[in-house]
Amino acid sequence: AQKITQTQPGMFVQEKEAVTLDCTYDTSDPSYGLFWYKQPSSGEMIFLIYQGSYDQQNATEGRYSLNFQKARKSANLVISASQLGDSAMYFCAMRERVTGGGNKLTFGTGTQLKVEL
Amino acid sequence: KAGVTQTPRYLIKTRGQQVTLSCSPISGHRSVSWYQQTPGQGLQFLFEYFSETQRNKGNFPGRFSGRQFSNSRSEMNVSTLELGDSALYLCASSLDRNNYGYTFGSGTRLTVV
Repeated sequence: AQKITQTQPGMFVQEKEAVTLDCTYDTSDPSYGLFWYKQPSSGEMIFLIYQGSYDQQNATEGRYSLNFQKARKSANLVISASQLGDSAMYFCAMRERVTGGGNKLTFGTGTQLKVEL
Repeated sequence: KAGVTQTPRYLIKTRGQQVTLSCSPISGHRSVSWYQQTPGQGLQFLFEYFSETQRNKGNFPGRFSGRQFSNSRSEMNVSTLELGDSALYLCASSLDRNNYGYTFGSGTRLTVV
């Protein structure tokens, strides 16, 4: 079963508009973390925002905010005031503890965002 | 401070050869993880190292191996390369064993011909 689901393969948004990228997750680990990364065509994974499973408030980092609905197991990324430089692939990822020790990130399939003039 | 450094950035190898990729984490970070990214399989976890010990490994054949040195630098090795090993290999470093934050490098793009 998919642990991280991103249902939007591609999204278009006009410059200066807000956009929401969807992410749902599934885990039995009570102590998990959710991340959003941006990957431009150069390949580097750029950290955007983090939400811990026990965090009471939604995370925010500048123009990025995370709409965390724990009961629904969703962690949607909201980008306000989109800029042309926001055009990239966006990945939702979940950190889980692994049997035997350690952690790993499980990634969704990504959403390709295109910001238009 | 310097970010995560991966070398080389690009590699072209022939089937059957072996390859070694390097990752230098952020200074002070002790945990290093490796991920493989392909168009078909997406991003998949390879292994995680903490204090020179492999803590866990993803579902990859034994041809994929790695290690971590006392300065936290890590290497991964792929032996007997196959065409399907062509991928972007990403390394991520974390401060400690809890992995509350992962910082990725720019990746090594491996092409097997």
